Amino acid sequence: SQQGEEDPQALSIQEGENATMNCSYKTSINNLQWYRQNSGRGLVHLILIRSNEREKHSGRLRVTLDTSKKSSSLLITASRAADTASYFCATDVKAAGNKLTFGGGTRVLVKP
Amino acid sequence: DGGITQSPKYLFRKEGQNVTLSCEQNLNHDAMYWYRQDPGQGLRLIYYSQIVNDFQKGDIAEGYSVSREKKESFPLTVTSAQKNPTAFYLCASSIGTGPEKLFFGSGTQLSVL
Repeated sequence: SQQGEEDPQALSIQEGENATMNCSYKTSINNLQWYRQNSGRGLVHLILIRSNEREKHSGRLRVTLDTSKKSSSLLITASRAADTASYFCATDVKAAGNKLTFGGGTRVLVKP
Repeated sequence: DGGITQSPKYLFRKEGQNVTLSCEQNLNHDAMYWYRQDPGQGLRLIYYSQIVNDFQKGDIAEGYSVSREKKESFPLTVTSAQKNPTAFYLCASSIGTGPEKLFFGSGTQLSVL
């Protein structure tokens, strides 16, 4: 199985609602990153949280990291139709060298 | 504008044929990466390079080859040994040698005829 696994696999919400997705991983990390991908396009970096950080904010995004549980969450507040995309967590694993391992993603649909 | 350019956007491969996917960046980034994405799946690392003339295998390197003769360019060849090449291929770069904040190209969809 993959190092990072997102939950849920898919999420459907109304515009204005909050969207929360979770990522679990297996081994110690240097950092954890979240990316967004619109259908058929490349990924866009959203936020990076280091192993010694617990929470970070960027605009309507809030990311938490719990290294004791090996999990992270991404919260999108006041969602918009333009937030419709797939969201991926990616881990920079300490023992794996300089490479980033991606999870399977959460597909988010924001209905207007 | 600075960025990563992948070409072509769509590519078709015949049985037994090698094909090369292009990736060029003008961000002056040190590290470059190739990922494969299958429908509804996450990304899997094929190869990565931290400096010119050096590269390392990722998790699924079999059937692929790369070169890094210039800092700006990191082409990927899908060889005939790759029996299931149909996928979306993404190239990325990062400013340092570590994988922090990857910048991605717009991808190449490879299909088998």
